Amino acid sequence: AQSVTQPDIHITVSEGASLELRCNYSYGATPYLFWYVQSPGQGLQLLLKYFSGDTLVQGIKGFEAEFKRSQSSFNLRKPSVHWSDAAEYFCAVAPGGYNKLIFGAGTRLAVHP
Amino acid sequence: NAGVMQNPRHLVRRRGQEARLRCSPVKGHSHVYWYRQLPEEGLKFMVYLQKENIIDESGMPKERFSAEFPKEGPSILRIQQVVRGDSAAYFCASSPGQGDEQFFGPGTRLTVL
Repeated sequence: AQSVTQPDIHITVSEGASLELRCNYSYGATPYLFWYVQSPGQGLQLLLKYFSGDTLVQGIKGFEAEFKRSQSSFNLRKPSVHWSDAAEYFCAVAPGGYNKLIFGAGTRLAVHP
Repeated sequence: NAGVMQNPRHLVRRRGQEARLRCSPVKGHSHVYWYRQLPEEGLKFMVYLQKENIIDESGMPKERFSAEFPKEGPSILRIQQVVRGDSAAYFCASSPGQGDEQFFGPGTRLTVL
């Protein structure tokens, strides 16, 4: 069965520090891959997505993610974190197309001033 | 342009009552998806509908839950005889077509007393 694992439940970084959020997926072929951000009490906003092609994907708000087929990973990165980035981040896959999304459990990011 | 709208944003029900959650997709979108987010968990796919058709209900509980997306009006997720375990945030997403990006609403937070 397809699954998504986000190993880190909580991460705390200082403002201005770099960030990497981990995501591993389990799927037989290359799925569509996504990162979403959820602010408290809000819906989900798409940060970036990977369908095919260049394995380094640029997204909004200065985020990027790299697809590594050999590691079944799609880690999210940002070189310098801002206090407004504090939120919960979800990695998701859409196996076999885009009819439904399978989400990881999420990583809650806290940013210290 | 209005995004996906969900109402009510908060809903409180007593055990045994019915809950009706409404979702108005982005104008022009004919595909709707419902997801459930239990506390401290990621979103779980429930059902995928097009106008007047259920395409994939593999994530729907077999009893008490139903969904519809009529030709006119919003999509409705209906939960009969609610139990405490139904307390969760229910998110709706819409897309213009199959395989297109899903846009999420702000969610309905259901509390069952």
